Amino acid sequence: KAGVTQTPRYLIKTRGQQVTLSCSPISGHRSVSWYQQTPGQGLQFLFEYFSETQRNKGNFPGRFSGRQFSNSRSEMNVSTLELGDSALYLCASSDGTSDYNEQFFGPGTRLTVL
Amino acid sequence: AQSVTQPDIHITVSEGASLELRCNYSYGATPYLFWYVQSPGQGLQLLLKYFSGDTLVQGIKGFEAEFKRSQSSFNLRKPSVHWSDAAEYFCAVGSPFNDYKLSFGAGTTVTVRA
Repeated sequence: KAGVTQTPRYLIKTRGQQVTLSCSPISGHRSVSWYQQTPGQGLQFLFEYFSETQRNKGNFPGRFSGRQFSNSRSEMNVSTLELGDSALYLCASSDGTSDYNEQFFGPGTRLTVL
Repeated sequence: AQSVTQPDIHITVSEGASLELRCNYSYGATPYLFWYVQSPGQGLQLLLKYFSGDTLVQGIKGFEAEFKRSQSSFNLRKPSVHWSDAAEYFCAVGSPFNDYKLSFGAGTTVTVRA
């Protein structure tokens, strides 16, 4: 099976702009989670989608949003970018139906905000 | 709330020597515990996981970890380190009951010297 893919791999934006990141999960996986990784805050959970519904949410402002499509692909959007949004954004997929959360991570999208 | 502490930010070990990375967790019930490895510029790869049962779990790449409930620890070990083990290692805790939100430790960077 192909692994989790994320596009684009690298992105440079300026403050105030918005950005959309994409994640394609492993075939058959219905749960997609997003994490933000920064040197200062480490890995932080953003949100999780399952069958097109947001099932879990972390402590991020409303500028961070996401959605999931019927084919389980997910997008994450960040509006009104701030310098502090510069980070590696990781997507993870799982089957979503087990009672444990083994997740498979993609390579990430490196976002730089200037 | 669940949380994870990795006391060691950086460890340097000689090739062929043993390695132990510490992880302490805080969680009210029996947690689901994970160790992930991240090589530079890469996403996270699952090394091993613990859900229940035998407290000594074997993972990939020759790693093992031991769950000690009395110490709230889940330390990762490898008997003989290879240069390719240089990476950042993350301990994570997840909760059952359909909660797909992982909480990660701050990570431990492992440097392997020849």
